[in-house]
Parts: sequence; C-alpha cells; structure tokens
Amino acid sequence: QKEVEQNSGPLSVPEGAIASLNCTYSDRGSQSFFWYRQYSGKSPELIMSIYSNGDKEDGRFTAQLNKASQYVSLLIRDSQPSDSATYLCAFEGFQKLVFGTGTRLLVSP
Amino acid sequence: ETGVTQTPRHLVMGMTNKKSLKCEQHLGHNAMYWYKQSAKKPLELMFVYSLEERVENNSVPSRFSPECPNSSHLFLHLHTLQPEDSALYLCASSQDRGWQPQHFGDGTRLSIL
Repeated sequence: QKEVEQNSGPLSVPEGAIASLNCTYSDRGSQSFFWYRQYSGKSPELIMSIYSNGDKEDGRFTAQLNKASQYVSLLIRDSQPSDSATYLCAFEGFQKLVFGTGTRLLVSP
Repeated sequence: ETGVTQTPRHLVMGMTNKKSLKCEQHLGHNAMYWYKQSAKKPLELMFVYSLEERVENNSVPSRFSPECPNSSHLFLHLHTLQPEDSALYLCASSQDRGWQPQHFGDGTRLSIL
C-alpha cells in the first residue's frame, strides 16, 4: 500500500470552475498535512497546511481534512489557467514528510 | 527568486565521473534537505542537515555523499552513479528541522549516460 495515494490525472476543468484534488494517507497518527504546487520544470511551492479536522480557507484555496477517513483534499475556486500545475499532497509521518506522486491539473480558458 | 539557489541546473555525466551539486540559501534557515524526484515517483527524502549536522540519511547509496560546510551551503557529491540515478535533485530549507520544507530550489536535472 502506498503511503500517500493521489490520482495522477490530468484533472481537466474549465476556467472559473471548482477544481477538487483528493489525497488519502496511510499513517493514522499523522497530525500535519500539506499541499504543494509544482509548475512544470519548477520546484514545489508550499501553498496550504492543515492540522485540524474540517476546512481551512486561504483566498481561492480550501483544504479539507478528515482524519477518521484519512482523507485530505484541496479545492480551488474560480480556477484560472495559471493554476495549471501538479499538486503534491504530503503528510508528516514516520519522522519525515511523505509525499504523494501528485495530481496534474489542467485549467482550460 | 525562490531564496534557494541550486547549481548547475542541468548535468550530464558518465558513470565513472565525479561531480558535485551545490545549494545555497540566505533565508537564515537552520535545516537543509536533499530530495530526489523521479518521473511518476513521489519526492524521496535523501538527507537532512540541521545546524550543519546530518540528522538523517534515508538509506541512500554511498555513491551519494552530502556535505554541509555551514548553514547556508549544502553539497551533494556524486561518484560512480548508475543510470537509475537520473532524476531531478531538489534542495530545500526550513526554519528548523521540525518544520516542513518551506522553500525549494529549482533543482538540478541529472542525466547519467
């Protein structure tokens, strides 16, 4: 079983729609969860962190965490073509940050 | 400007060559990391340095040798690499070791012939 499961995509959404990116993780004891955005040919960039069950909003981004289901998601409202990138989910587990392989998001004009 | 600078951006080397990757940060961070990113695989943590001391070696082959001469600089020395070592090598930093990597460099794209 992979430690972090993400659908590789691509997830295609039209401009202005809500993009929903999902992630499941294996470590029940993990307390910290992160979303990174990685543009093609660029380095990952930390965009969201969440530590408690529920929603956390930051601008157009909302992270959702459900520890009972070991599930974390990222919603992007009013998606823009500039949001097209690979989104990496990560959690603090096994004394290190464990990453998923990422979901590629394509936002079409 | 990411705050973390890596050189070179691209490197092609033969299996018998010796080369070094360089990482520099002037963010005042105390922890630095080397990650490997291969196609269709998750980011793999290789090494962690905290206050210039290696605190984690994640079962990395000895053909990869890290060096951290001070809190701003991190090197990855390469020797006798294998074709499967071709990947993107990313350096990252964080305020302290207990934090998640906050700033990544743009990486060195390494190709082994």
